[in-house]
Amino acid sequence: EVELVESGGGLVEPGRSLRLSCAASGFTFFDHAMHWVRHTPGKGLEWVAGISWNSGSIDYAASVKGRFTISRDNGKNSLYLQMNSLTTEDTALYYCARDKAAAGPGSLDHWGQGTLVTVSS
Amino acid sequence: QSVLTQPPSVSEAPGQRVTISCTGSSSNIGARYDVNWYQHLPGAAPKLLIYDDTKRPSGVPGRFSGSKSGTSASLAITGLQPEDEADYYCQSYDNALGVLLFGTGTKLIVL
Repeated sequence: EVELVESGGGLVEPGRSLRLSCAASGFTFFDHAMHWVRHTPGKGLEWVAGISWNSGSIDYAASVKGRFTISRDNGKNSLYLQMNSLTTEDTALYYCARDKAAAGPGSLDHWGQGTLVTVSS
Repeated sequence: QSVLTQPPSVSEAPGQRVTISCTGSSSNIGARYDVNWYQHLPGAAPKLLIYDDTKRPSGVPGRFSGSKSGTSASLAITGLQPEDEADYYCQSYDNALGVLLFGTGTKLIVL
């Protein structure tokens, strides 16, 4: 059974950093591109970043480019999101999601339960 | 900001049919990139409902169907059930922005 478990969320002050992790199991991790997607009640779902199976292709939403870094470790079946210079606009529930395709971007067929990031002073 | 526009809400009675539109442009849906649809229930992870415009993942009832024409796509739900009440999002890729896009989202209310 495919399982994605996010961790690393929490309360952080504006301007600080946070690193999210996503532990994957139940499938061949390096066969799939992976993404981070965030949700807020006001904006709905917002794609944040995506990474292909071999990290050869990486894309970011304009709202996070230059501040966030997505990475993966296929040996550890893990996905990461390094978030720097956080602002209150980054407050959201962050989901890790699996792409059906290896190269992406395609459909996101499995999602984790999310980890909450709150940016506040 | 999203360039896939959906109606904020739709409502219909149980047993009826409802459609949710997703309007894009020539750089996303009109460029023949696949459209995918997700159901997001409160407190749950989003669930893939339709992929590659019209295909249903295993386990998704046949009441859900997708279509696409030109720069727009639609999700149709027949035989509405109370448990269908949720937020629905379309998703595609935009080659002008170089990003994956979600629609603005539609809240389905089952009266």
